[in-house]
Amino acid sequence: DAGVIQSPRHEVTEMGQEVTLRCKPISGHNSLFWYRQTMMRGLELLIYFNNNVPIDDSGMPEDRFSAKMPNASFSTLKIQPSEPRDSAVYFCASSLQALLKDTQYFGPGTRLTVL
Amino acid sequence: DAKTTQPPSMDCAEGRAANLPCNHSTISGNEYVYWYRQIHSQGPQYIIHGLKNNETNEMASLIITEDRKSSTLILPHATLRDTAVYYCIVRVNGYKLSFGAGTTVTVRA
Repeated sequence: DAGVIQSPRHEVTEMGQEVTLRCKPISGHNSLFWYRQTMMRGLELLIYFNNNVPIDDSGMPEDRFSAKMPNASFSTLKIQPSEPRDSAVYFCASSLQALLKDTQYFGPGTRLTVL
Repeated sequence: DAKTTQPPSMDCAEGRAANLPCNHSTISGNEYVYWYRQIHSQGPQYIIHGLKNNETNEMASLIITEDRKSSTLILPHATLRDTAVYYCIVRVNGYKLSFGAGTTVTVRA
């Protein structure tokens, strides 16, 4: 099993540019999660999809952030326009379902730097 | 989520067992205890989880006290590659993992 795949692994962009992060969950998993990690705030959940439908986006910081899951094998997290305070490591995770006993498996992350 | 308390850091000698404590005194009956670790610059890695009974897998053992108010993660033979931040998480609802500050474990040769 390839695990959760994220691309790109590193992204450097300038303030105001659009950034798109990509995620391929583990095959057969029905739940997908986007997290962000910073030194100040630690790991925080941004949005959660179940069966390709966004269920909880309360962690999305503001309207500049949007996430989509057009099919069961692909999701994107977009930031438009990007700002320096968006610099962080963004993780995607997936699980079979979102039950208490279902383990979330994380990808390697995308390190985003906004200049 | 039930709050967890972990020591901020601990050292361990290579080849020895590492015992990582976690307090979760407000845990409720249906809440699972999960352990993840994060090696520098990598994504969080699942280690083990349990509800009431002790659990063991190829990575570690999880010992949960009878009253469920605390648990211990045991790495039986620590190696240098086990150096990481270890997170103890009490999971309330179906999807939210609340990561605290964790315990920074340093395994020394």
